[in-house]
Amino acid sequence: AQKVTQAQTEISVVEKEDVTLDCVYETRDTTYYLFWYKQPPSGELVFLIRRNSFDEQNEISGRYSWNFQKSTSSFNFTITASQVVDSAVYFCALSEAGGNTPLVFGKGTRLSVIA
Amino acid sequence: DGGITQSPKYLFRKEGQNVTLSCEQNLNHDAMYWYRQDPGQGLRLIYYSQIVNDFQKGDIAEGYSVSREKKESFPLTVTSAQKNPTAFYLCASSRRGYEQYFGPGTRLTVT
Repeated sequence: AQKVTQAQTEISVVEKEDVTLDCVYETRDTTYYLFWYKQPPSGELVFLIRRNSFDEQNEISGRYSWNFQKSTSSFNFTITASQVVDSAVYFCALSEAGGNTPLVFGKGTRLSVIA
Repeated sequence: DGGITQSPKYLFRKEGQNVTLSCEQNLNHDAMYWYRQDPGQGLRLIYYSQIVNDFQKGDIAEGYSVSREKKESFPLTVTSAQKNPTAFYLCASSRRGYEQYFGPGTRLTVT
């Protein structure tokens, strides 16, 4: 069975601090996808990134970066120089690869960035 | 604009009544999904459909029903058999092998 664990329930940081959100996953599949979504107070989930299990390269997009390590089954998300607009709930998710399969979500990490 | 619409944003019902939540997409995606979110929880899968006229139960399908008569539409009915229907409901769609895109959600309150 697939499982995603986000051990950090809530994190508070002061603006401009860097923050890392942890994600640990379990799966027996050799091919799978990992995702991060952002849920602002409005409620709609916003897609941030998808990573294929064969691609362990780290990715950077502006202030966001992701560190994927198959050896530790982790897919961590770092926000550099955090801003108040980054305040949201962040979800890590996992799915089988190759088809239209549902996502298995972690319980999310609520990030509060204080000015 | 392409996207996923869910209506209404807020819905109130009396206990014992069935209620249908709307989800429409114009992204030409084959697959559609319904998730439920409770406070402090992640999203849990209710039903999903990979193709028109076909759908599969998710982890918490009891008390819910769906239909997929058109590619664009995947309505969810919350029946009176659902014991704790008050929640935030999110609809999503995807192309084969790609990420899911979500609608704005419907907050259902049953009293």
